[in-house]
Amino acid sequence: NAGVTQTPKFRILKIGQSMTLQCTQDMNHNYMYWYRQDPGMGLKLIYYSVGAGITDKGEVPNGYNVSRSTTEDFPLRLELAAPSQTSVYFCASSYAGNEQFFGPGTRLTVL
Amino acid sequence: DAKTTQPNSMESNEEEPVHLPCNHSTISGTDYIHWYRQLPSQGPEYVIHGLTSNVNNRMASLAIAEDRKSSTLILHRATLRDAAVYYCILRYAGGTSYGKLTFGQGTILTVHP
Repeated sequence: NAGVTQTPKFRILKIGQSMTLQCTQDMNHNYMYWYRQDPGMGLKLIYYSVGAGITDKGEVPNGYNVSRSTTEDFPLRLELAAPSQTSVYFCASSYAGNEQFFGPGTRLTVL
Repeated sequence: DAKTTQPNSMESNEEEPVHLPCNHSTISGTDYIHWYRQLPSQGPEYVIHGLTSNVNNRMASLAIAEDRKSSTLILHRATLRDAAVYYCILRYAGGTSYGKLTFGQGTILTVHP
């Protein structure tokens, strides 16, 4: 199993641009999560999903959108990138809210 | 959400045991105690979790105080690969928690050769 994969690994955006961070898991997990991690800080939850077609806001959802059309995929969309969204983004999945498996992260810089 | 308190940093020598403390005085009866670690430039990795009893797995042991207001993650023989940030997290196991984790700043563990 590949586990949780994220693309791209790195990205530089200009202010106002948009992009989608991809996340895929092959463990048939029902729950998926998006976190962001600012330098020297712990992770903060952006959005989560408990199954296909169901998403909900986490602690810091402003400026982001998500969708969950399949069990495997949970993309995160940034519509109007701002410098405050410069961060490392981690996707994770779990079965029924148990142990979470994390992807390797996407390092995003907004200039 | 109930919060945890951890030391900012700890140091250890290779092949010695490491005891990482965590205080969680406001823990509720439905909170599980989870530990994750994050190696440099990687995503967090699950280490261990428990509710009331001490737990052991291949990575570590978790000792939980009788009143559950504190716990200790024990690495029995530290290696250089154990150098990481260790997060102690309370996971509410109630019906609408959906396994959400609230990360603090964790403990930076440095392992000396």
